[in-house]
Amino acid sequence: EAGVTQFPSHSVIEKGQTVTLRCDPISGHDNLYWYRRVMGKEIKFLLHFVKESKQDESGMPNNRFLAERTGGTYSTLKVQPAELEDSGVYFCASSQVRPGQGGYEQYFGPGTRLTVT
Amino acid sequence: AQSVTQLDSQVPVFEEAPVELRCNYSSSVSVYLFWYVQYPNQGLQLLLKYLSGSTLVKGINGFEAEFNKSQTSFHLRKPSVHISDTAEYFCAVQRRDDKIIFGKGTRLHILP
Repeated sequence: EAGVTQFPSHSVIEKGQTVTLRCDPISGHDNLYWYRRVMGKEIKFLLHFVKESKQDESGMPNNRFLAERTGGTYSTLKVQPAELEDSGVYFCASSQVRPGQGGYEQYFGPGTRLTVT
Repeated sequence: AQSVTQLDSQVPVFEEAPVELRCNYSSSVSVYLFWYVQYPNQGLQLLLKYLSGSTLVKGINGFEAEFNKSQTSFHLRKPSVHISDTAEYFCAVQRRDDKIIFGKGTRLHILP
């Protein structure tokens, strides 16, 4: 079974440009999460999809970030326009829905390292 | 609100020596506790988790952690480390709404 994949693995862009990150979750996983780690800081939650609906986007830093999950499969995270402080590693994770159970594992992708210069 | 504190940003330890990575958490509600590991150039991988029951949890690669409710701690231990354990380790709590709150991570350096 393929794991969570993310593309690209690295991206270097200039301030003001646009970048789109892609995440392909494990097949059949309805839950999809985005997290970000800014250098020297902890990994922070950005948002959570259940299928194609945004369940929680409380961690999105501002309106320059747009996440979509059309069709409930892969997801994209667009940053437009990018700023220097957006540099970091963006992780995607997915999990199965297990009603009544908690603490189910989130499976993480390798991350996309974004550098804004 | 929840928070996770990993008391050491880096831990050097000699190969075959024991190691303990410390983690304290704060939460007003019950949460699930996790340790994740990130090996060089790889994604995060679940090491172990505590949901309920026995406070001593065993994970992969010989790691174990003990949940201490009174001290709000979830320290990670291994009796004998190997070079392959070189990685960054993250303590985390997961709320009932799925959101994971991570600590800042501890880099484990294995010395020959």
